[in-house]
Amino acid sequence: DAGVTQSPTHLIKTRGQQVTLRCSPKSGHDTVSWYQQALGQGPQFIFQYYEEEERQRGNFPDRFSGHQFPNYSSELNVNALLLGDSALYLCASSPRQGAGGELFFGEGSRLTVL
Amino acid sequence: GDSVTQMEGPVTLSEEAFLTINCTYTATGYPSLFWYVQYPGEGLQLLLKATKADDKGSNKGFEATYRKETTSFHLEKGSVQVSDSAVYFCALIYNQGGKLIFGQGTELSVKP
Repeated sequence: DAGVTQSPTHLIKTRGQQVTLRCSPKSGHDTVSWYQQALGQGPQFIFQYYEEEERQRGNFPDRFSGHQFPNYSSELNVNALLLGDSALYLCASSPRQGAGGELFFGEGSRLTVL
Repeated sequence: GDSVTQMEGPVTLSEEAFLTINCTYTATGYPSLFWYVQYPGEGLQLLLKATKADDKGSNKGFEATYRKETTSFHLEKGSVQVSDSAVYFCALIYNQGGKLIFGQGTELSVKP
């Protein structure tokens, strides 16, 4: 049973560019959340998708947007990249019901903005 | 707002030493509490959880008790191993579909 898979694992962009990160949830999971983890910090919640809609959002600007597809996979898009967007981006999945708060995380996509 | 505070690392211990990593939280309601662990090169994984006051979560020799009176959820292990070297995150969540609020993480290094 594949867990949460993310791609790409590493990428380098320059300021002002746009980036798209992808996530496939664990089999049987229909809810996907995205987190940003800056170096030496705990993950910060970006947003959560369920039934192809954004259900909750953290304190991130509109430059951060997302999408969920009918197969529950998800994308995170960041426009007009800033140096401060350099971080590990984590995708987490869970079933909508019965998770008890437990999330399953992917290994992350490490974004470096130069 | 809600928040989680962990003791600062890195924590360096010898093998078989006793481990405590302190975690306190600020919350307006009654969250569930978690410890997640991040091994080098791997994703975050759930270590243990407790969903209500006085519950004790345990896994792989690690334990933590949900203390509402002190708003704490300290992680303990009686005898650490080199393989326990990782970054440990304390976190809270209010409902099954909610967002996790993480502490800043505590790096543990266990020397043989």
